[in-house]
Amino acid sequence: NAGVTQTPKFQVLKTGQSMTLQCAQDMNHEYMSWYRQDPGMGLRLIHYSVGAGITDQGEVPNGYNVSRSTTEDFPLRLLSAAPSQTSVYFCASSRLTGGSYEQYFGPGTRLTVT
Amino acid sequence: AQSVAQPEDQVNVAEGNPLTVKCTYSVSGNPYLFWYVQYPNRGLQFLLKYITGDNLVKGSYGFEAEFNKSQTSFHLKKPSALVSDSALYFCAVRDMYSGGGADGLTFGKGTHLIIQP
Repeated sequence: NAGVTQTPKFQVLKTGQSMTLQCAQDMNHEYMSWYRQDPGMGLRLIHYSVGAGITDQGEVPNGYNVSRSTTEDFPLRLLSAAPSQTSVYFCASSRLTGGSYEQYFGPGTRLTVT
Repeated sequence: AQSVAQPEDQVNVAEGNPLTVKCTYSVSGNPYLFWYVQYPNRGLQFLLKYITGDNLVKGSYGFEAEFNKSQTSFHLKKPSALVSDSALYFCAVRDMYSGGGADGLTFGKGTHLIIQP
């Protein structure tokens, strides 16, 4: 199993540009989520999905869109990039094990918006 | 609302000494507690969790954590530190009555653990 994969690993955008961060998992997990990691702030949830066709907002959803057309894929779209979106983005998938959900994280995408 | 506090931004320990990374939490009901580790330029990796039962939980790489309900703490420990343990450690909490998956999990800000040779 490849686990959770993310592309690209690095990206530089100009303010106002749009792009899609890709995330895929091959573990047949129902739950998938996107986080951003900023220094001194831990991980903050952007959007999550409890299954194909179902998505919901997390703590910091503004400026981001998601969709979940398949179990495997959960792309994150930046509609009009802003410098405040400079961050490291992690995708995660979850499975129920031992009575609780355990998350598996991708390697991350480091995004810089100039 | 649930929350997690990791009071130390950085912990420095000499190799071979015991280590402790502190975590306290606040939830309205019974907690599910987790520790994750992040090595440089990598995603987070699961270390261990407390759901119910024995207050001392053992996890990967020789780490363990002790759940203390009265002090609302879940400190991460290891009897003998290795240089390779140097990483960023995150504590996370979820109320057992929260929704499943990602929506109910709250992460701390992380603690840098530095093991000196």
